Amino acid sequence: KAGVTQTPRYLIKTRGQQVTLSCSPISGHRSVSWYQQTPGQGLQFLFEYFSETQRNKGNFPGRFSGRQFSNSRSEMNVSTLELGDSALYLCASSFIAGPESTIYFGEGSWLTVV
Amino acid sequence: GQQVMQIPQYQHVQEGEDFTTYCNSSTTLSNIQWYKQRPGGHPVFLIQLVKSGEVKKQKRLTFQIGEAKKNSSLHITATQTTDVGTYFCAGRAGGYQKVTFGTGTKLQVIP
Repeated sequence: KAGVTQTPRYLIKTRGQQVTLSCSPISGHRSVSWYQQTPGQGLQFLFEYFSETQRNKGNFPGRFSGRQFSNSRSEMNVSTLELGDSALYLCASSFIAGPESTIYFGEGSWLTVV
Repeated sequence: GQQVMQIPQYQHVQEGEDFTTYCNSSTTLSNIQWYKQRPGGHPVFLIQLVKSGEVKKQKRLTFQIGEAKKNSSLHITATQTTDVGTYFCAGRAGGYQKVTFGTGTKLQVIP
């Protein structure tokens, strides 16, 4: 079956703009989580959604937001982009949310802010 | 907050040598998962350890979790160039707590 699909794969934005990234989880998976990966900070947790409800949120400013739709697809939005937001944004899905759920990552969206 | 550290940060080994990365959490974890990320790729799930003191093997890879479930290790025997990548451990403190990823160990194998 198809894996986690993220769009767009690559994008370049200007400081101050906003961006929306999309994630389609593996069919049947109801939990979606987002991560930011940078060389300096590693994998940082952004948020986790299960059945359209945000279960957890990482330590990111309010400019970072997300949502999950009834079909489990998810979007994350970053407003008022800053240079430091340049990163690989990874979406991951799992069948359930919880300690023993296996996380499957998408290939990520590479965001460059200039 | 919960912190998960991995050592070493980088490791260069000659092909055929063994490699070990260690994962240490500031809090007890419900479980520990290990992921591998190839250069330019995304993290891929390797294994999950749940029980205290558990040891699991996957071919040349051996995974262990400590009795207190605060630390774990990944050992690769006789490394190959295909083992190149960054290895991450990850875990949740419990229940539906957020997943925290370790800082990662980047492995380079010299042929």
